[in-house]
Amino acid sequence: KAGVTQTPRYLIKTRGQQVTLSCSPISGHRSVSWYQQTPGQGLQFLFEYFSETQRNKGNFPGRFSGRQFSNSRSEMNVSTLELGDSALYLCASSLKRSVNTEAFFGQGTRLTVV
Amino acid sequence: QKEVEQDPGPLSVPEGAIVSLNCTYSNSAFQYFMWYRQYSRKGPELLMYTYSSGNKEDGRFTAQVDKSSKYISLFIRDSQPSDSATYLCAMMISGGGADGLTFGKGTHLIIQP
Repeated sequence: KAGVTQTPRYLIKTRGQQVTLSCSPISGHRSVSWYQQTPGQGLQFLFEYFSETQRNKGNFPGRFSGRQFSNSRSEMNVSTLELGDSALYLCASSLKRSVNTEAFFGQGTRLTVV
Repeated sequence: QKEVEQDPGPLSVPEGAIVSLNCTYSNSAFQYFMWYRQYSRKGPELLMYTYSSGNKEDGRFTAQVDKSSKYISLFIRDSQPSDSATYLCAMMISGGGADGLTFGKGTHLIIQP
């Protein structure tokens, strides 16, 4: 079956702009989690969506937001981009909420803020 | 002090060697322990997970968890050049909790042919 699909794969944005990233989970998976990966901080949890509701949230500012649609696809939005937002953004899908013992990751969207 | 500590490497070993990768952690509430492999320009791929203490084996891979020492390990036997990647440990509080998965920063492993 198809894996987790993230689009776009690469993005270059200017400081102050906003960006929207998309994630399509594995068919049948209802939980989508988002992570930010940087060389300095590693992988950090942003938030999790399940059944169109944000269930958990990591320690990121309110500029980072997301949503989930009825077909489980999820989008992540970052407003007022800062240079420090440059990172690989990964989404992971799993069958159940929060019990991410089998979370499958997409290939990520590499965001560069200039 | 970060919740999960992992030596970034690089760790370079000859083909066929046994590789030992390790993480230490500080939060005694962690119950689930995972190992992910990440190739360059790819997303992490789950290798195996273990619940609580003990060992788990899957082919050439063995995961060990010692909760009393807050120490987990991944052993790779008969290492191959295709095993060259970054290995990430990840942990989770039972039931998920509010923080999703907590990751180490990863160890970059190089298997020399």
